[in-house]
Amino acid sequence: NAGVTQTPKFQVLKTGQSMTLQCAQDMNHEYMSWYRQDPGMGLRLIHYSVGAGITDQGEVPNGYNVSRSTTEDFPLRLLSAAPSQTSVYFCASSYGGTRDEQFFGPGTRLTVL
Amino acid sequence: AQSVTQLDSQVPVFEEAPVELRCNYSSSVSVYLFWYVQYPNQGLQLLLKYLSGSTLVESINGFEAEFNKSQTSFHLRKPSVHISDTAEYFCAVSALGGTSYGKLTFGQGTILTVHP
Repeated sequence: NAGVTQTPKFQVLKTGQSMTLQCAQDMNHEYMSWYRQDPGMGLRLIHYSVGAGITDQGEVPNGYNVSRSTTEDFPLRLLSAAPSQTSVYFCASSYGGTRDEQFFGPGTRLTVL
Repeated sequence: AQSVTQLDSQVPVFEEAPVELRCNYSSSVSVYLFWYVQYPNQGLQLLLKYLSGSTLVESINGFEAEFNKSQTSFHLRKPSVHISDTAEYFCAVSALGGTSYGKLTFGQGTILTVHP
């Protein structure tokens, strides 16, 4: 099993550009989530999905879009990048919901100039 | 809604000394409690979790945490740390019900640095 994979590892964008962060898992997990990690703020939930075709907003959804067309993939789209979106982004998946371990990808470090 | 407060942003200790990383939470519903660890330039890994039953839970590498419902705390301890324990540690809660069902809420993180 590859677990949770994320691409790219690093990305530099200019303000106003758009891009998609890719996330895939091969564990047949129903739950998938996107977090951003900023110094001193821990991880904050951006969007999450409880299954293919079902997504919902987390704590900090503004400026981001998601879709879940398959169980395996959960891409995160930045619509118009802003310097405030400079962060490290983690994708996670879990078998079920509230009591299950979340498995994290290696992260994408994004810089918006 | 839930909130998690990790009371120390950085904890420096010497090798073989004991350590405690403090975590308090607030929630209007019952929660599950987790500690995750992040080694440099890696994603997070589950260290241990409390779901129910015994309030003392242990990890395979010598860490333990105790759930204290009255004090709404879930402090992480290790009696003797190693250099390899240097990492950032995150406390997290997951609500058993309500609108936050299935979502993890993280604390701010505590950077543990073990010195030789």
